[in-house]
Amino acid sequence: AQKITQTQPGMFVQEKEAVTLDCTYDTSDPSYGLFWYKQPSSGEMIFLIYQGSYDQQNATEGRYSLNFQKARKSANLVISASQLGDSAMYFCALRKSTGFQKLVFGTGTRLLVSP
Amino acid sequence: GAVVSQHPSRVICKSGTSVKIECRSLDFQATTMFWYRQFPKQSLMLMATSNEGSKATYEQGVEKDKFLINHASLTLSTLTVTSAHPEDSSFYICSPLSSGAYNEQFFGPGTRLTVL
Repeated sequence: AQKITQTQPGMFVQEKEAVTLDCTYDTSDPSYGLFWYKQPSSGEMIFLIYQGSYDQQNATEGRYSLNFQKARKSANLVISASQLGDSAMYFCALRKSTGFQKLVFGTGTRLLVSP
Repeated sequence: GAVVSQHPSRVICKSGTSVKIECRSLDFQATTMFWYRQFPKQSLMLMATSNEGSKATYEQGVEKDKFLINHASLTLSTLTVTSAHPEDSSFYICSPLSSGAYNEQFFGPGTRLTVL
């Protein structure tokens, strides 16, 4: 079975500072993908970043980077230079790489960016 | 990015009525469709997976006779909540999987259902 754990229900950060959102996972599959999504109050799910289990380097997408530590089974999201518009729910998700597999989501972390 | 539409975006209905939610992938074909439900302040929980032309596979605890899923074409899937009750009030999100090389998963904008 696959499981995603996000232990931070809420995080606060000041504008322009960096913040790390934690995510640990459990899977017995050798090939999998890790995803981070942002969900603002409107409800839409916005894809942020992806890390494959066999990727040698940590993924980066603009201000988002993923601190992937495979041995520890962690895939923390780092947001640099936080902006007010970053305030939202953030979900970590896991999916097997083979076949048409479902995404399994963590419980989410609510990020609040203050001026 | 790919465009996914859901209709309606919001619906309020009386207890006992049925509500149909449509999900369309506008610029790609989706052989697989996932339907998620999200209660307030909670995560997305998978309800069912459907493949075009086949019966949906439901997650444990999700009543297949209550949540009817039809995936008749590669661009349209519908979720019908039959005999809705207040506890069915939730945010329903469709998520089509593209049949392209990367099997990218997209999300619809969601439908907020309120059952009075």
